[in-house]
Amino acid sequence: DAGITQSPRHKVTETGTPVTLRCHQTENHRYMYWYRQDPGHGLRLIHYSYGVKDTDKGEVSDGYSVSRSKTEDFLLTLESATSSQTSVYFCAISEMYEQYFGPGTRLTVT
Amino acid sequence: QKEVEQNSGPLSVPEGAIASLNCTYSDRGSQSFFWYRQYSGKSPELIMFIYSNGDKEDGRFTAQLNKASQYVSLLIRDSQPSDSATYLCAAGGQGAQKLVFGQGTRLTINP
Repeated sequence: DAGITQSPRHKVTETGTPVTLRCHQTENHRYMYWYRQDPGHGLRLIHYSYGVKDTDKGEVSDGYSVSRSKTEDFLLTLESATSSQTSVYFCAISEMYEQYFGPGTRLTVT
Repeated sequence: QKEVEQNSGPLSVPEGAIASLNCTYSDRGSQSFFWYRQYSGKSPELIMFIYSNGDKEDGRFTAQLNKASQYVSLLIRDSQPSDSATYLCAAGGQGAQKLVFGQGTRLTINP
């Protein structure tokens, strides 16, 4: 998985609670991304980062925030989890164009 | 809205044959194209990328790009049962940071 770890790998949480997912890379790549993958929708970009403290929104950013205080870490926060945010979340990294994906986090919001 | 379309399949191909996977994209500004393979329950794995019109070969895989027709394809020669997976097509702009993915084509190689 190209030196990418995600934590936790599985999480069950209740509606309305905040949740933070972590992505950690050892490749020193400039760009980091958060995607969600749902049946019928494929992979959709939530947010991405192009440097420390530099982030931008993706296609489905509502209800999510991100932070990147170090090159190696990119955090995704669900401010108040909803059942529609039940999904598999993938982190990806890139230095130029090719993106490499982490192992994923399966999040269930009950 | 930028879209990438793929036939969801399943596409069934006999072992040893050529598997042909197709993808169309709506944004004429797209400049970079990627094929990922995803096994069930696993993360997407990059197998090919192409930026220029024409063919690009890597081992048993050939990516083909036709920007005039907004069409990308992936050919897998000498298909093996281990090629059975979902194949995701993605398109990006000049910086390729904002990729748009298709829903994927499920490929089954029959021994």
